[in-house]
Amino acid sequence: DTGVSQDPRHKITKRGQNVTFRCDPISEHNRLYWYRQTLGQGPEFLTYFQNEAQLEKSRLLSDRFSAERPKGSFSTLEIQRTEQGDSAMYLCASSLVGLRYNEQFFGPGTRLTVL
Amino acid sequence: SQQGEEDPQALSIQEGENATMNCSYKTSINNLQWYRQNSGRGLVHLILIRSNEREKHSGRLRVTLDTSKKSSSLLITASRAADTASYFCATDPHLGNQGGKLIFGQGTELSVKP
Repeated sequence: DTGVSQDPRHKITKRGQNVTFRCDPISEHNRLYWYRQTLGQGPEFLTYFQNEAQLEKSRLLSDRFSAERPKGSFSTLEIQRTEQGDSAMYLCASSLVGLRYNEQFFGPGTRLTVL
Repeated sequence: SQQGEEDPQALSIQEGENATMNCSYKTSINNLQWYRQNSGRGLVHLILIRSNEREKHSGRLRVTLDTSKKSSSLLITASRAADTASYFCATDPHLGNQGGKLIFGQGTELSVKP
């Protein structure tokens, strides 16, 4: 399968713990996006990369959140000192700039539950 | 904050009927896209319509775009139980073909009863 993959699919953690999620985009895609989705809502943009450069961060991305894409391939999203309000589905997507008008391909998501 | 408003929030129809979902947005856009999401899963891209297009078809899907009213509609004809899912519109506000983030609506939850 050459689609976007995310790991883990589910994560349960206690408040105050740190968590890290991984996203592997479609191999030839140079853009990678992170979104967050809460129950009954549409995805909300968090941040995106073009190759290894982080081009934009949302105001939703507090200083407890950090994302990296060190070699322009996979990306990690870390949440430090998790809070119950961080419980959500974290979605990753990738796209190829200049092709097909920014159609983004989504992974299955990582569902985070903070107890 | 999200840009799109979708209407209705929930729609329940019988198999074989048509389903129409509407989306309104606030700013100028480069294109508008529709995605489907099955419960607890990732999003699947359905169709994209550019700002200079008014209507587009793909199989049983028909999308219209009215940039003067900042609105779009998605029509699914001859619905099937497998069409049961949440449907989201997403706008790309970026000029040209160098898009970045998409801005999603709140979604319409479609239930198709067999």
